[in-house]
Amino acid sequence: QKEVEQDPGPLSVPEGAIVSLNCTYSNSAFQYFMWYRQYSRKGPELLMYTYSSGNKEDGRFTAQVDKSSKYISLFIRDSQPSDSATYLCAMSHSRGTALIFGKGTTLSVSS
Amino acid sequence: DTAVSQTPKYLVTQMGNDKSIKCEQNLGHDTMYWYKQDSKKFLKIMFSYNNKELIINETVPNRFSPKSPDKAHLNLHINSLELGDSAVYFCASSQAVTDTQYFGPGTRLTVL
Repeated sequence: QKEVEQDPGPLSVPEGAIVSLNCTYSNSAFQYFMWYRQYSRKGPELLMYTYSSGNKEDGRFTAQVDKSSKYISLFIRDSQPSDSATYLCAMSHSRGTALIFGKGTTLSVSS
Repeated sequence: DTAVSQTPKYLVTQMGNDKSIKCEQNLGHDTMYWYKQDSKKFLKIMFSYNNKELIINETVPNRFSPKSPDKAHLNLHINSLELGDSAVYFCASSQAVTDTQYFGPGTRLTVL
């Protein structure tokens, strides 16, 4: 079993839809959870950062972490064509260590 | 005002050649990383340096040698390039006390 599993998609939704992206993981030592967005031919950029379990909201984006289920989610409300990108979940067990990434989910939002 | 920069952006070379990729960050971070993203977009850590000291060295062929002349720079030298080395290589940096890693734009390496 891979350390981090993420459905690669692709996921296609109409503009305005609510998008749900998910990752599961096997290592219970992970404490820091992130979502990165990567546009085509660009570097990943940090969207959301969460420590341990709980929810975090930033504008149209909400990140949820359920450590008991080893499951993290990213919700995008009122999706826009500019949200079309690959979304990568990432996690680590301690600060300053390497991130373990999921394979990324490719999202396409049509206008 | 680029935070993490990499040169070159594209690199096309023949098998067997030796090449280097350079990375610089102007964020004042003390930790830098090299990641490899393969054709299926899977991003995997290769190396990490903290204050010029190697702290992570994943299972990477020893043809790959990172060098950190100072905190702001982390270069990657690759000897005897192979077809399988074709990928996008990303440099990243962070302050050790946080986990927010900032990525460069990537170097797309194609080995012919």
